[in-house]
Amino acid sequence: DIQMTQSPSSLSASVGDRVTITCQASQDISNYLNWYQQKPGKAPKLLIYDASNLETGVPSRFSGSGSGTDFTFTISSLQPEDIATYYCQQYDNLLPWTFGQGTKVEIK
Amino acid sequence: EVQLVESGGGLVQPGRSLRLSCAASGFTFDDYAMHWVRQAPGKGLEWVSGISWNSGSIGYADSVKGRFTISRDNAKNSLYLQMNSLRAEDTALYYCAKVRSLYYYAAPFDYWGQGTLVTVSS
Repeated sequence: DIQMTQSPSSLSASVGDRVTITCQASQDISNYLNWYQQKPGKAPKLLIYDASNLETGVPSRFSGSGSGTDFTFTISSLQPEDIATYYCQQYDNLLPWTFGQGTKVEIK
Repeated sequence: EVQLVESGGGLVQPGRSLRLSCAASGFTFDDYAMHWVRQAPGKGLEWVSGISWNSGSIGYADSVKGRFTISRDNAKNSLYLQMNSLRAEDTALYYCAKVRSLYYYAAPFDYWGQGTLVTVSS
């Protein structure tokens, strides 16, 4: 199975700060990497697909980069409504598709 | 508007069975692969199973292989998950999710239901 190592597990930042989350795959997954946002009590929401593509309707302060095994998710200017847990997910052809452990983002 | 509504969850004893359903609307159901993802209380997301638009490709997580069966009825716009030999570790909120890309089995999940809770306990 492909393991996804996501870090940090939690972070606290101020409104307006730049926030970065990383995800490392245990083997090359090309760009088959997505990022989801999950707010408390809600279903996950797709933000970034195929490593760097912004899903329709998602604010441009969210971005993603990387390929192969190392990926980065960035919120350029943290807003109060961004409080959530963020997950990376790989969907390489090899099953199972796996999620990172999640990063809980809080406001300082 | 895309809607996915799960049902069928509940409290069940270990070793028993349960069948989850996901009713889809707002899109051409038989054009898209569908998946089940679960989330144990206070834990992260775990992919469970997926099925292609025509049921030609099906996959399972190792943790449920041989116990769970995914299926779909395109005429009824519905996705199912038959869960047998349930264990305490299957306790979770089960989400159905639609893939983003037409006819692709492996694709990002762009719409999710609100989930149905399965609790396995004696």
